[in-house]
Amino acid sequence: AQSVTQLDSQVPVFEEAPVELRCNYSSSVSVYLFWYVQYPNQGLQLLLKYLSGSTLVESINGFEAEFNKSQTSFHLRKPSVHISDTAEYFCAVSGATSGTYKYIFGTGTRLKVLA
Amino acid sequence: GAGVSQSPSNKVTEKGKDVELRCDPISGHTALYWYRQSLGQGLEFLIYFQGNSAPDKSGLPSDRFSAERTGGSVSTLTIQRTQQEDSAVYLCASRAGRGTSGRNEQFFGPGTRLTVL
Repeated sequence: AQSVTQLDSQVPVFEEAPVELRCNYSSSVSVYLFWYVQYPNQGLQLLLKYLSGSTLVESINGFEAEFNKSQTSFHLRKPSVHISDTAEYFCAVSGATSGTYKYIFGTGTRLKVLA
Repeated sequence: GAGVSQSPSNKVTEKGKDVELRCDPISGHTALYWYRQSLGQGLEFLIYFQGNSAPDKSGLPSDRFSAERTGGSVSTLTIQRTQQEDSAVYLCASRAGRGTSGRNEQFFGPGTRLTVL
């Protein structure tokens, strides 16, 4: 069965500092990988996703994530964070085989950007 | 062009009462999911609807939980005889694309925060 591990439940970081939110998955099949962000009192929004091709994917607001098949990881990074990046971030995996429709979510990482 | 909406946004109920949570997916989205979000436990899959196919109810935690989707659009999650451990945020998501591919993103509603006293 697929699983997703986000080891860090909370990550405090100062404004303009770099950040990395870790995500590891376990799956014996090809996967699609997603990062969602949840701002306070809102639903989840897609931040970026990996389906195939280039292993480095980017979002419009400066986040990037790299798919590493050998390490089964999909860590999220940003070189310089803003106060507005304070939110909870969820990593999710879905199988890439036909008939797969379930998404497995990690437990989330709460990013708190400090002034 | 509206997104996924859910109602009510907050629900406080007494233990033993029944509650109904509503989800309006994005028009044209054939796939609909319900999740439960508890503090520190991420998103727990509850149920999946795809078009007119039989739903996948494998995530429902007990027979007190049920869901239906009428006309392939609006969905209602019903919890009977609520218990305190049912307190959580219930999220609904819809997804475009026919079939069962997991490549398309899900669009989430803002959730219903359920508190059982």
